[in-house]
Amino acid sequence: DAGVTQSPTHLIKTRGQQVTLRCSPKSGHDTVSWYQQALGQGPQFIFQYYEEEERQRGNFPDRFSGHQFPNYSSELNVNALLLGDSALYLCASSLWDTTQKSSYNEQFFGPGTRLTVL
Amino acid sequence: AQKITQTQPGMFVQEKEAVTLDCTYDTSDPSYGLFWYKQPSSGEMIFLIYQGSYDQQNATEGRYSLNFQKARKSANLVISASQLGDSAMYFCAMREATYSSASKIIFGSGTRLSIRP
Repeated sequence: DAGVTQSPTHLIKTRGQQVTLRCSPKSGHDTVSWYQQALGQGPQFIFQYYEEEERQRGNFPDRFSGHQFPNYSSELNVNALLLGDSALYLCASSLWDTTQKSSYNEQFFGPGTRLTVL
Repeated sequence: AQKITQTQPGMFVQEKEAVTLDCTYDTSDPSYGLFWYKQPSSGEMIFLIYQGSYDQQNATEGRYSLNFQKARKSANLVISASQLGDSAMYFCAMREATYSSASKIIFGSGTRLSIRP
């Protein structure tokens, strides 16, 4: 049973460029969340996708956008890269919480993509 | 607003000793979940343990236990009989229960645990 996979592992870009990161969720999962983790900090929530729609978004500018495909995989796109976008980008998959009120919804994380912006 | 606070940036512990990693949280929602994750140098976040706000007993998973003190809003992680492989970053995190199925996890700033042989 494959876990969450992400590609590429590492990426180097220059300021102003655009980047696309990819994530395949754990088998059986239908929801993908993206997090940005700057060096020495905890992950910060970017957004979450379910049924190919963005369901919730953190405090990130519109330069950050995403997409979810019918097979539940997801992409994170960042336009006009800034030096401050250098970080580890983590993808997490889970099952959509159909109980409508549950605090337990374990998210399984992938190994991350380390983005360096020069 | 939700907030997770981890006040120990780094800790050194002798192998086989028990260690407690501190975590306090702030939320106005009566229903929430607390998580601890381990992040080795490889970068992957590994789920360790979960505690629901209505759970009567402290959660335990093998060598990990969560000391949940609801009135004090603390959720400390206790690792018994530490091992060299426990050296990593540890994050406390919280998810609020809402009537929306969308969920996000709020993380603390982490504690770097180093186990000495």
